[in-house]
Amino acid sequence: AQKVTQAQTEISVVEKEDVTLDCVYETRDTTYYLFWYKQPPSGELVFLIRRNSFDEQNEISGRYSWNFQKSTSSFNFTITASQVVDSAVYFCALSEGPLFGNEKLTFGTGTRLTIIP
Amino acid sequence: EAQVTQNPRYLITVTGKKLTVTCSQNMNHEYMSWYRQDPGLGLRQIYYSMNVEVTDKGDVPEGYKVSRKEKRNFPLILESPSPNQTSLYFCASSAYGYGHQETQYFGPGTRLLVL
Repeated sequence: AQKVTQAQTEISVVEKEDVTLDCVYETRDTTYYLFWYKQPPSGELVFLIRRNSFDEQNEISGRYSWNFQKSTSSFNFTITASQVVDSAVYFCALSEGPLFGNEKLTFGTGTRLTIIP
Repeated sequence: EAQVTQNPRYLITVTGKKLTVTCSQNMNHEYMSWYRQDPGLGLRQIYYSMNVEVTDKGDVPEGYKVSRKEKRNFPLILESPSPNQTSLYFCASSAYGYGHQETQYFGPGTRLLVL
């Protein structure tokens, strides 16, 4: 069965510091998809990134970067030069494949990130 | 604007009083799903639908019903709500991937309190 672990329940950093959110997953499939979502205080879920298991290239988008390592089953998320607007709960999620039915996302329990001004 | 909408956003009800939470998407997505979010548990899938008239149970379907009569709508029905259904509910939709996972987009959430 698939599982996602976000061991960091809460993190607080001072503004402008870098912060890394950890995500470790378990799956028996060789084809799978990994996601990160942001949930700001307003409550909605905002899509950040989607990655498939065949693409281990790290990705950078502005101050955000993701490090995907199949060898350690991890998909970590780093925010560089954090800002107060980054304060949110961040969820890592996994979907196993190939998918010919339920495209369910299995979520971690989330990491609450607080950026201190 | 491409979006998933849910109504109502907030709801307080009493045990046993039937309610429906509506979900609508304007992206012509085949796949739709309901999740509930509870503290310390993340999000868990309740029901999903791969297309019109095709629905099935997720991980926590007890106490819920769904229907998919039109492609854009996927209402969640609580026939006899109980306090353990107090939660934050999200509807999601995506294009059906036919073998790969497309990105799921979420509605704004419905916060339900059952007294």
